[in-house]
Amino acid sequence: QVQLQESGPGLVKASETLSLTCNVSGGSISNYYRSWIRQPPGMGLEWIVYMHYAESTNYNPSLESRVTMSIDTSKNQFSLELSSVTAADTAVYYCVVTNIVTGDLSWGQGTLVNVSS
Amino acid sequence: NFMLAQPHSVSESPGRTVSISCTGSGGSIANNYVQWYQQRPGSTPTTVIYEDTRRPSGVPDRFSGSIDSSSNSASLTISGLKTEDEADYYCQSYDNNNWVFGGGTQLTVL
Repeated sequence: QVQLQESGPGLVKASETLSLTCNVSGGSISNYYRSWIRQPPGMGLEWIVYMHYAESTNYNPSLESRVTMSIDTSKNQFSLELSSVTAADTAVYYCVVTNIVTGDLSWGQGTLVNVSS
Repeated sequence: NFMLAQPHSVSESPGRTVSISCTGSGGSIANNYVQWYQQRPGSTPTTVIYEDTRRPSGVPDRFSGSIDSSSNSASLTISGLKTEDEADYYCQSYDNNNWVFGGGTQLTVL
């Protein structure tokens, strides 16, 4: 069973760049499509970005101009960068993978990122 | 744009059966797979249904998913309700490979 673990700073200053990494264990990252999802405190789930077939990438239109997603197959991990953050970007950030063969989806535990003014 | 709508909350008694709806608009819900996620209070979301009807290993068969093209909706049905099923449930699908989430349904088991 694949396991995911997000890592990164829990506090980011407004106007700076949020950087998170998702470490994948129990399976090769090449066998999965990769996504980032976030959840502001007390609110629902919001999709950020989805890297899928042939590394094609789809972005939430409301975030696209500020989002960069990358993958490091040698480290079996993928990353998220969100630039020019504001208080509205305070949320728990989850990495999610979709098994290319089975279609099953697995979630990381999530990491809370607070944006300070 | 394709959107998904869920009831804000539902409640049912232990041992009973409950269905949570997820209604599509701006497109056909049958065109893309629907997933359902369970999020217990203070916990991370977990997948309970993927590809419309499939259950991940470890998810009890009390959980089932279905699609109704006539109403353009998906449903998550939980039978034999247990207090541990009390959680928020989110449906999710795709719109040209963009993820679309429903707003979530709070299930109370009382």
